[in-house]
Amino acid sequence: AQSVTQLGSHVSVSEGALVLLRCNYSSSVPPYLFWYVQYPNQGLQLLLKYTSAATLVKGINGFEAEFKKSETSFHLTKPSAHMSDAAEYFCAVSSGGSYIPTFGRGTSLIVHP
Amino acid sequence: SQTIHQWPATLVQPVGSPLSLECTVEGTSNPNLYWYRQAAGRGLQLLFYSVGIGQISSEVPQNLSASRPQDRQFILSSKKLLLSDSGFYLCATGTLGEKLFFGSGTQLSVL
Repeated sequence: AQSVTQLGSHVSVSEGALVLLRCNYSSSVPPYLFWYVQYPNQGLQLLLKYTSAATLVKGINGFEAEFKKSETSFHLTKPSAHMSDAAEYFCAVSSGGSYIPTFGRGTSLIVHP
Repeated sequence: SQTIHQWPATLVQPVGSPLSLECTVEGTSNPNLYWYRQAAGRGLQLLFYSVGIGQISSEVPQNLSASRPQDRQFILSSKKLLLSDSGFYLCATGTLGEKLFFGSGTQLSVL
C-alpha cells in the first residue's frame, strides 16, 4: 500500500523568502514521486518527478525536491518565492504493481508582498 | 503531446438529477484514463481508472459510475446526484509510473 502525507494545509511566506513544502510518503517498494501545481480553477501541472536517477530533482519555475529514503521524505523547495508561485501544491506517490498515483491533500502556498 | 478535453467547465445541478461529464484525449492511443474528485481540503480522490475500452475499476463505492465507450473517451455519470457529489472533477491520462496529464476540470455544484 502507498500513501502520502503533506504537512500543513497552508504555508505563508513573504516574497523573496525560502519556500519549503513538506511531503512524506509510505511505500513498500521503491516509489516514483511527483510534485504537481494547481492554479485556481485549473487542472494540475507537473513540477518535477523522482524516478531514482538522482536524489535531488530540479523542476520548472526554480523548484527542486530532494528524495531522502531514510526519512521517507520528498520536500519541495524554492530559494526565493515569487508572487506567481501562489497556488496549490500536491505531492504524489506511484509504486507497486499498478503504479496508480496516490495524491496528498495538498498545500496552499500563500505569498505576501 | 497528449491533450485532454474536459467539459463542461462549470455545472450546477439539482439534487436527484442525472450527471454526465465527458473527457476525450488526443495525441495518444490506448491511454490509461482516470477520474479524480477534488473536494475542499481533501486533496485528490481517485474515483475510477481504465486501462482499456470497457475496462473500469472503481476505487470508491458511491453513486457515480464511469464508462469508456471508445479508446480515448471516458465518461463519468450518475443517475441521481447527491449534495455530497459537489466538487471539482478532473480527468487525467498517463502511462503507469509516469506523470499524469490533467484536463482543466469541471466544477460541479449540486444544490
